[in-house]
Amino acid sequence: QQQVRQSPQSLTVWEGETAILNCSYENSAFDYFPWYQQFPGEGPALLISILSVSDKKEDGRFTIFFNKREKKLSLHIADSQPGDSATYFCAASGNNAGAKLTFGGGTRLTVRP
Amino acid sequence: GALVYQYPRRTICKSGTSMRMECQAVGFQATSVAWYRQSPQKTFELIALSTVNSAIKYEQNFTQEKFPISHPNLSFSSMTVLNAYLEDRGLYLCGARKSNTEVFFGKGTRLTVV
Repeated sequence: QQQVRQSPQSLTVWEGETAILNCSYENSAFDYFPWYQQFPGEGPALLISILSVSDKKEDGRFTIFFNKREKKLSLHIADSQPGDSATYFCAASGNNAGAKLTFGGGTRLTVRP
Repeated sequence: GALVYQYPRRTICKSGTSMRMECQAVGFQATSVAWYRQSPQKTFELIALSTVNSAIKYEQNFTQEKFPISHPNLSFSSMTVLNAYLEDRGLYLCGARKSNTEVFFGKGTRLTVV
């Protein structure tokens, strides 16, 4: 049973466009949702995160929109750059989970110049 | 800033031998450390979770006998893969939790078994 799902599996956008990556979850106890960016051969790097008490979080070109009622969230990457080409993972954890995260399957983003 | 350093970055071991990997939190004290294995298909498997003042908790399909972990202080953790076989290959990631939320990962140790 996959508790965190991501869509699409892969996404291609043109440079300058906004890329939208989707994530949904099943466990109502999840209250922390980080997004990680991973380049080939590297570990996942924390990009931006949101707590379930918020419905939006912005950091530069990256914005998370969160809908607690529908258990959905999305990562918007504005003005996409070729350097943003990577795999993006949505993850989730609950209170007192420590470093335990439940990951989605990832979205592979390609930004074409 | 918060950094997690993993060593070695990659290692090759013969089938049936063992190898040890290390994880160091730099710039912060990790309240919790989790070890993951990422498959070639990019899926993450949680191996075990180690939290300060609690016993190390292993996930289903992973045992202390196969993946012994040492977490002697808030900055350092090590894990050994004993009797490594082909199915143990992958990218082993250490995630360290800073305060109550953020989990930072190292670059991983890529294990190849020949």
